Amino acid sequence: GAVVSQHPSWVICKSGTSVKIECRSLDFQATTMFWYRQFPKQSLMLMATSNEGSKATYEQGVEKDKFLINHASLTLSTLTVTSAHPEDSSFYICSARDSSGVEQFFGPGTRLTVL
Amino acid sequence: AQTVTQSQPEMSVQEAETVTLSCTYDTSESDYYLFWYKQPPSRQMILVIRQEAYKQQNATENRFSVNFQKAAKSFSLKISDSQLGDAAMYFCAYRAGTYKYIFGTGTRLKVLA
Repeated sequence: GAVVSQHPSWVICKSGTSVKIECRSLDFQATTMFWYRQFPKQSLMLMATSNEGSKATYEQGVEKDKFLINHASLTLSTLTVTSAHPEDSSFYICSARDSSGVEQFFGPGTRLTVL
Repeated sequence: AQTVTQSQPEMSVQEAETVTLSCTYDTSESDYYLFWYKQPPSRQMILVIRQEAYKQQNATENRFSVNFQKAAKSFSLKISDSQLGDAAMYFCAYRAGTYKYIFGTGTRLKVLA
């Protein structure tokens, strides 16, 4: 089956620093990758859609300069949280869509804690 | 705008019994997909079942089945012979042509031994 990995699985950083999260499709080419944010006991909220080789499309209310997304290849997308603050602490999940496009395959998530 | 509503924040079921989780959605599209995902404590999203809107037949996957009522915009999940491993958060999701998912707020399922 289609496998998506994320690295790191958890990260703790100081306020003001930047953190990069990687999302990789291991056994398929991901035409599109999606980044979600999930606060405790809440649902997944889509942050942005990332297409290989083009700029990401951000959802309303998501700061594109704070959450930098790069989708440089068909198997890798990165999310960089710039100048992180405690309110950015959350669970970040990526997903990827293959060429058939019917469903998304989810990574295991990254827990970010900003001190 | 499309919306997905799960009106049951929490449900409990006795082991080996049957439970139904509710989901309603709103859309003006005619062609779309609906999904149920399970999120255990590990937080990994696991696809439980999916339904294509153009198919009248309800999807089934072993102990999991759906009751898809397109006119009513309802998509409930029935879990038969509930097992302790079924305990998790369950999210209903909608996907139309843009490939983006819209998730409901989730239902926490507890399975009682």
